Amino acid sequence: DGGITQSPKYLFRKEGQNVTLSCEQNLNHDAMYWYRQDPGQGLRLIYYSQIVNDFQKGDIAEGYSVSREKKESFPLTVTSAQKNPTAFYLCASQGGGVGPNGYTFGSGTRLTVV
Amino acid sequence: QKEVEQDPGPLSVPEGAIVSLNCTYSNSAFQYFMWYRQYSRKGPELLMYTYSSGNKEDGRFTAQVDKSSKYISLFIRDSQPSDSATYLCAMSRSGGSNYKLTFGKGTLLTVNP
Repeated sequence: DGGITQSPKYLFRKEGQNVTLSCEQNLNHDAMYWYRQDPGQGLRLIYYSQIVNDFQKGDIAEGYSVSREKKESFPLTVTSAQKNPTAFYLCASQGGGVGPNGYTFGSGTRLTVV
Repeated sequence: QKEVEQDPGPLSVPEGAIVSLNCTYSNSAFQYFMWYRQYSRKGPELLMYTYSSGNKEDGRFTAQVDKSSKYISLFIRDSQPSDSATYLCAMSRSGGSNYKLTFGKGTLLTVNP
């Protein structure tokens, strides 16, 4: 089945550590996105990539980094510079469908700082 | 002023009630208006979308867009306990490939049996 796979589902990070969240899609979509969701805050865009080997900062990119070496993969690294990383992280991809029909979300990774 | 405003609730209704959810926005360039449903600890799923102004109906759900007032609504008729979720409105400037969505904060809805 086509879709987006995020892993792990739950992740715990110690203070000062970098962690990488995985996002893989087999939908052959060109564009991929990372969002952060906090309680009562909706979804905020961290980074997005419209094509392999290219990506742009979203609204809250500080403390995060990404790479897009393959069309199928868009990993997000939460660095030690991110002061408040505890949140629910959502990956999405878009392409192929007209308008919002082509936009698909993964099931998310919940990151907790311990 | 935030681009998209949505009352986070929470909203609690009895089974069978008509539910009204809404969002306001400030950016007149938005053309696509979406409603996503998100169950706890899951990714959002697209419920409905509307292009420009007008109404759209799908079963028990009706989406309305009033661009003159910069106001969108989602109505749920005969609400069911399975409708209990967070409802997020989202908007975008275009519908083609490679566009970004701007989300409201989401409204937490509970439908009590």
